[in-house]
Amino acid sequence: EIVLTQSPATLSLSPGERATLSCRASQSISNYLVWYQQKLGQAPRLLIFDTFNRATGIPARFSGSGSGTDFTLTISSLEPEDFAVYYCLQRSDWPYTFGQGTKVEIK
Amino acid sequence: EVQLLESGGGLVQPGGSLRLSCVASGFSFVGYAMSWVRQAPGKGLEWVSGISGSSVNTFYIDSVKGRFTISRDNSKNTLYLQMNSLRVEDTAIYYCAKAYLGMGILDSWGQGTLVTLSS
Repeated sequence: EIVLTQSPATLSLSPGERATLSCRASQSISNYLVWYQQKLGQAPRLLIFDTFNRATGIPARFSGSGSGTDFTLTISSLEPEDFAVYYCLQRSDWPYTFGQGTKVEIK
Repeated sequence: EVQLLESGGGLVQPGGSLRLSCVASGFSFVGYAMSWVRQAPGKGLEWVSGISGSSVNTFYIDSVKGRFTISRDNSKNTLYLQMNSLRVEDTAIYYCAKAYLGMGILDSWGQGTLVTLSS
C-alpha cells in the first residue's frame, strides 16, 4: 500500500499570504496525485487532479506541482474561504490512499 | 446539477449489517464509476470501495474485503454498499462520490450518511 505523508500537519497563516502544502509518497506515483479541500462539516471538494489540473470552478490561486514522490499544493494568496483541511490522494495503485491532511488555519 | 443523496446509515451493534444507498441525479449515471469514501469521527478520509459504470470492476480496501459489497442499479441511478459483520472501527460518515475521468478523481460528493457501531 502506498503511504502518503502530508506536511505540515497545521499551517497557520493570515489572509493574503501564500500557502505551500506538501505531499510525499512512499513510492513513485508518476503524476497520479489528487488534492481535495474539506471545510468543517462539509463533504470534500475536488481541487486539483493528476498533479496540476484544476477542477471545474477552482480559482487560479490554487496550483499543483510535482512528480514521482514529491508534490506540492500552492495557494498563492489565501482568501478567507480557503481556511480548511487539505488532503492528497494517490490514484496510481489500488488501494487508493489519502494523506492524513493539512489544516490551514487563520493565524 | 449533479446531486448525490445517501441514506441508510444508523446505529447498529457490532456484527450487524446495514445497506447504504446513494441516489444520483443530474448526470448519466451509467457512464461514470462511483466510489464510497468514509471518515471516522475527527479523522481523515479513507477510500473504501469503487465500482465501474458497468459494474464489471469493483475494488475494496483490505479491511472490508469479504464484509462489504458495492453494487449499482443503473436503471434506478442508485449506488449501494452492503455492509456485513460490522466492526466498531467501521464507525464513520460514509460519502458516495462520482468519479471524473479516473476512479480516483471524485468531482461530486454526497452529504454523507453516519454509521455508528455501538453495543
